[in-house]
Amino acid sequence: DIQMTQSPSSLSASVGDRVTITCRASQNIRSYLSWYQQKPGKAPKVLIYGASSLQSGVPSRFSGSGSGTDFTLTITSLQPEDFATYYCYQSLSPPLTFGGGTKVEIK
Amino acid sequence: EVQLVESGGVVVQPGGSLRLSCAASGFPFDDYAMHWVRQAPGKGLEWVSLINWDGGRTYYADSVRGRFTISRDNSGNSLSLQMNSLTVEDTAIYYCAKDFYHDIFTGHPFFDFWGQGTLVSVSS
Repeated sequence: DIQMTQSPSSLSASVGDRVTITCRASQNIRSYLSWYQQKPGKAPKVLIYGASSLQSGVPSRFSGSGSGTDFTLTITSLQPEDFATYYCYQSLSPPLTFGGGTKVEIK
Repeated sequence: EVQLVESGGVVVQPGGSLRLSCAASGFPFDDYAMHWVRQAPGKGLEWVSLINWDGGRTYYADSVRGRFTISRDNSGNSLSLQMNSLTVEDTAIYYCAKDFYHDIFTGHPFFDFWGQGTLVSVSS
């Protein structure tokens, strides 16, 4: 099974900060990676698919990069509505797996 | 507008069974793969199961294989999850999620729509 390791598990940041979240796969998943944002009490929402493609309607301050085993989600200028938990997810082969999540909190 | 509405979540005793349903609307249901994803209280997301567009292929997480069965009724636009031999570790919000593609082996699959979730609590 493919394991997905996210880091950090939590971070504190201020509005306007640049934030980077990392996801590492236990084996090569090419670009079969997507990123999700989840706010408390709500269902997750897709931000990035195919490692670097921005989902329609998602602000351009979100970007994704990487391929193979190492991936990054970047928020270039953190906004108040971005405080949430972020998850990576691999869809190369079942069983499909999520990373453990990164909680972005207000500093 | 795409809508996914889960139902069936209740309190059930360990060892019990439960069937969850997801009513889909606003898109051609029989064109897309569908998933169940769960989230234990205060924990992260866990993928549970996948069924491709025509029901011909199903996949499961190791933690539920042999106990859970995913199925779909394309004529009724609904997705189901039969859950047997439940344990306290199955306590979670269960989300129904639509895949962007009709099959896991097409394109770069991802979840483009989610339901609001239904809570399953396994407790004596």
